Amino acid sequence: AQSVTQLGSHVSVSEGALVLLRCNYSSSVPPYLFWYVQYPNQGLQLLLKYTTGATLVKGINGFEAEFKKSETSFHLTKPSAHMSDAAEYFCAVSDSTAGNKLTFGGGTRVLVKP
Amino acid sequence: DAGVIQSPRHEVTEMGQEVTLRCKPISGHDYLFWYRQTMMRGLELLIYFNNNVPIDDSGMPEDRFSAKMPNASFSTLKIQPSEPRDSAVYFCASIQEGSGYTFGSGTRLTVV
Repeated sequence: AQSVTQLGSHVSVSEGALVLLRCNYSSSVPPYLFWYVQYPNQGLQLLLKYTTGATLVKGINGFEAEFKKSETSFHLTKPSAHMSDAAEYFCAVSDSTAGNKLTFGGGTRVLVKP
Repeated sequence: DAGVIQSPRHEVTEMGQEVTLRCKPISGHDYLFWYRQTMMRGLELLIYFNNNVPIDDSGMPEDRFSAKMPNASFSTLKIQPSEPRDSAVYFCASIQEGSGYTFGSGTRLTVV
């Protein structure tokens, strides 16, 4: 079975400050890992994904994440927050042995202060 | 490509009524998933299909819930009878083997 834990259901950052969202996973098979963003009243949009290869993954909107197998982590960062980054962020792990179904973390809501 | 299309966007219904949610996946995608999002439980997988065949429905909460995929371009999620605790946002997503998920915009269901 797979599981995802996101530390902190709410994060508040100042505009221009570092954004760091934490994600730890549990998987019995080599994981595929994802970060999604959800803006109010919208669906989920893929930010970035890790499947194989380079462990530092760059995504859209200046976000990146690093897969650390030894720590079972896939933390999401952005060097400088923008007001438009205010949204909810979901980390997810995919089970490639079960149709690639995604298991999501509980989400982290990001508030950006001017 | 228009993406994954869900209808309706919003549905308000009375307890006991039948509700049908609809999803049109991206053409060529061979997997289709139904998720439910609530404040209390987050995002939960309800059921998924591969090549129109239901593979795993272990997430379907009760017999009141049923899902079908009669062809590669259409799926429905039905709740009969509906209850207030079914109020949630229901998402459909499709995927092609080796690619990422594409989510629809969701259907916000309110059962009063």
